Amino acid sequence: DAKTTQPNSMESNEEEPVHLPCNHSTISGTDYIHWYRQLPSQGPEYVIHGLTSNVNNRMASLAIAEDRKSSTLILHRATLRDAAVYYCILSLRNAGNMLTFGGGTRLMVKP
Amino acid sequence: NAGVTQTPKFQVLKTGQSMTLQCAQDMNHEYMSWYRQDPGMGLRLIHYSVGAGITDQGEVPNGYNVSRSTTEDFPLRLLSAAPSQTSVYFCASSYGTGSSEQFFGPGTRLTVL
Repeated sequence: DAKTTQPNSMESNEEEPVHLPCNHSTISGTDYIHWYRQLPSQGPEYVIHGLTSNVNNRMASLAIAEDRKSSTLILHRATLRDAAVYYCILSLRNAGNMLTFGGGTRLMVKP
Repeated sequence: NAGVTQTPKFQVLKTGQSMTLQCAQDMNHEYMSWYRQDPGMGLRLIHYSVGAGITDQGEVPNGYNVSRSTTEDFPLRLLSAAPSQTSVYFCASSYGTGSSEQFFGPGTRLTVL
């Protein structure tokens, strides 16, 4: 199954945009790119997902490279509530396309 | 909708004891799954189900059993608890896989002494 690579941690200032990168060089043509985040002591929460085209929703934007080997989650204005671990995930094709979580990126937001 | 609920929130077991972690969802989702999360790590898939009566193993199934007799419930059974099973357990559900959003429960924190 394809794996993802993310930086361990990133810092941002409040009210500034944040770009969280993810590499997935072994992605297959049918793999969706998912982003989830996990706030302290909570279960993961869906953020956004996409296949080939860039995606926008109320929480974030997802920019997918043309070759699909990398993607970037964009938070347009970071708030203190956005401090969390962000996971970039591809699906486990040999397990019903369930999700496999890597280590994620811990985002710290400074006031 | 209550979403995905899990009970208990916390549990302490002694080595060798058995117990069942409960998971229920009221969204009529076909797909349900169990994950464990060890300190400082991402989630790992234990077992999953694509519908009532159908279950399959994930990445780390040893020491755990599941069954899916109804669409709503997906209990996880620890047969003989070991300290290595100390973890936080999350249940999730979704309409489908691949492109479907997964909804996670609040988790059960299990300690095995």
